[in-house]
Amino acid sequence: AQSVSQHNHHVILSEAASLELGCNYSYGGTVNLFWYVQYPGQHLQLLLKYFSGDPLVKGIKGFEAEFIKSKFSFNLRKPSVQWSDTAEYFCAVSLYNQGGKLIFGQGTELSVKP
Amino acid sequence: ETGVTQSPTHLIKTRGQQVTLRCSSQSGHNTVSWYQQALGQGPQFIFQYYREEENGRGNFPPRFSGLQFPNYSSELNVNALELDDSALYLCASSLGGQEGHEQYFGPGTRLTVT
Repeated sequence: AQSVSQHNHHVILSEAASLELGCNYSYGGTVNLFWYVQYPGQHLQLLLKYFSGDPLVKGIKGFEAEFIKSKFSFNLRKPSVQWSDTAEYFCAVSLYNQGGKLIFGQGTELSVKP
Repeated sequence: ETGVTQSPTHLIKTRGQQVTLRCSSQSGHNTVSWYQQALGQGPQFIFQYYREEENGRGNFPPRFSGLQFPNYSSELNVNALELDDSALYLCASSLGGQEGHEQYFGPGTRLTVT
């Protein structure tokens, strides 16, 4: 069965530190890739997405992610985190031509210390 | 542009009861997907409705059923509630039922089964 794995359950950083959250998926076909963020008390919001083209995608709030097909990975990065980035981050995959069903990873909780 | 709305916000039910959760899709969207998010986990796909027809189903038993109406709003019904059904139920709307279009999530309904 297809699955998405996020490497870290909880990450704690100080402000201005760089961030990289790992995401790997298990599916050999064409995929669409997403990162969603859930700020405390808020609903899931789309950070960025990859459908095709340039494997380095930029999202909102200075986030970016790189799709490496050979590694089945879609890691999320930000050069300098802020306290306001404290949230839970979910990587998700949808399989091409299978109705848009999203398969989510278990999430990574990011805590940024001021 | 009106976002995805869900009702009720919170709900407490007793084991064996039935529950109906409601979702209004974002304006212009014809596809609604439902997800179950247990505490500390990523959302799990329940099913998707596209133009009033079920368009994919996850690994959930038949006591989880749904409907989509001509205005593209949707209901999730759960019969014979079990304690493990306690979770946050998320609705997401999107445009199109076949491709991995980005999904916009509502705030969720928190269901507690006692």
